[in-house]
Amino acid sequence: GAGVSQSPSNKVTEKGKDVELRCDPISGHTALYWYRQSLGQGLEFLIYFQGNSAPDKSGLPSDRFSAERTGGSVSTLTIQRTQQEDSAVYLCASSLRLTGGNSPLHFGNGTRLTVT
Amino acid sequence: QQQVKQSPQSLIVQKGGISIINCAYENTAFDYFPWYQQFPGKGPALLIAIRPDVSEKKEGRFTISFNKSAKQFSLHIMDSQPGDSATYFCAASNSGSRLTFGEGTQLTVNP
Repeated sequence: GAGVSQSPSNKVTEKGKDVELRCDPISGHTALYWYRQSLGQGLEFLIYFQGNSAPDKSGLPSDRFSAERTGGSVSTLTIQRTQQEDSAVYLCASSLRLTGGNSPLHFGNGTRLTVT
Repeated sequence: QQQVKQSPQSLIVQKGGISIINCAYENTAFDYFPWYQQFPGKGPALLIAIRPDVSEKKEGRFTISFNKSAKQFSLHIMDSQPGDSATYFCAASNSGSRLTFGEGTQLTVNP
């Protein structure tokens, strides 16, 4: 079956503009995660959704960042008034359930965001 | 207590050599320890995982060694190949929690 799909694969935007990044998780996966990866750096957790529970937003770096997950499937990460330090690869992952058991994360290939 | 510390940050190995990446954790409730492999331009992918009821797990050239008392686990890549050049992330979690990732190790295997 299809893996996690992210769009666009690349996005160049001007400082101050808003951007929306989309993630289509694997069908049936109840948990969805967003991570940020700066050049050559590790995985910075942003937010995750688990079923109908309230999302864990503890990793969002500022109130310019928000995310939603509609119908328990597709998720959109929105960055308002983008800044140059927002430039990074934004990775989405999904898992059958909240990882801790035999439920590995499946990552998409990310959206490379460049803020000029 | 949720941190997972990974070392080294980068590693260069000759073809045929052994690559060793180490991770340490604090949270004794962690009970699932996966390793992810990431190639340039791709998302990380699960490579191998271990639970603390065993001290070692081997899949092909990849082995996880787990030391529960020391709260450490490591990835060994035997007979390293240029195609193994990638970034490797260790991670840990327990039931009901999301994965906590290490900082990553950039492995380069020279031909």
